[in-house]
Amino acid sequence: SQTIHQWPATLVQPVGSPLSLECTVEGTSNPNLYWYRQAAGRGLQLLFYSVGIGQISSEVPQNLSASRPQDRQFILSSKKLLLSDSGFYLCAYRLMGGPEAFFGQGTRLTVV
Amino acid sequence: DAKTTQPPSMDCAEGRAANLPCNHSTISGNEYVYWYRQIHSQGPQYIIHGLKNNETNEMASLIITEDRKSSTLILPHATLRDTAVYYCIVRAQGAQKLVFGQGTRLTINP
Repeated sequence: SQTIHQWPATLVQPVGSPLSLECTVEGTSNPNLYWYRQAAGRGLQLLFYSVGIGQISSEVPQNLSASRPQDRQFILSSKKLLLSDSGFYLCAYRLMGGPEAFFGQGTRLTVV
Repeated sequence: DAKTTQPPSMDCAEGRAANLPCNHSTISGNEYVYWYRQIHSQGPQYIIHGLKNNETNEMASLIITEDRKSSTLILPHATLRDTAVYYCIVRAQGAQKLVFGQGTRLTINP
């Protein structure tokens, strides 16, 4: 069976500091991978998705970037965090051809 | 992907059936209707999906109108643990993106 790991669960970072959130999937190969952000009291915003190694599609221009260095690893990064980057970040995967997406437990990022 | 419209919030009494509507009047022939829910501070959870026939699983039933322009998610016997935001999504099965709208905040009252 497949599992998704996302860490850390919570993170407090100062403005201007870098960010690296990692997401890994086990038990499958070539999944579609997704990064979402949810600001407090708001809906889920799709940030990036990837259909394969090195293939990243960006949905919203922003202060963040994503990379997929390995098949089951998806990384969300920022060189300099802004206050507006605070939120709940979720990683998800979907099996090739599968109907449903599976989400990690999320990282709650607070930029201070 | 077609746009969906859901009421922002709904209430339901514990033990009763919760019926969550979704309008998707611009749905295309190859687009499925998906439902997810998000319990507070957790990632969304897949519930059910369908194309044109009604579907049922251990969590819920999905009723899609004959013209496919709207659907209803039914939780037959709502419990307090069903309190969550419910998202209706329309997407072609082969589409790579998965975009969520604002959803319906369902509150189950004791």
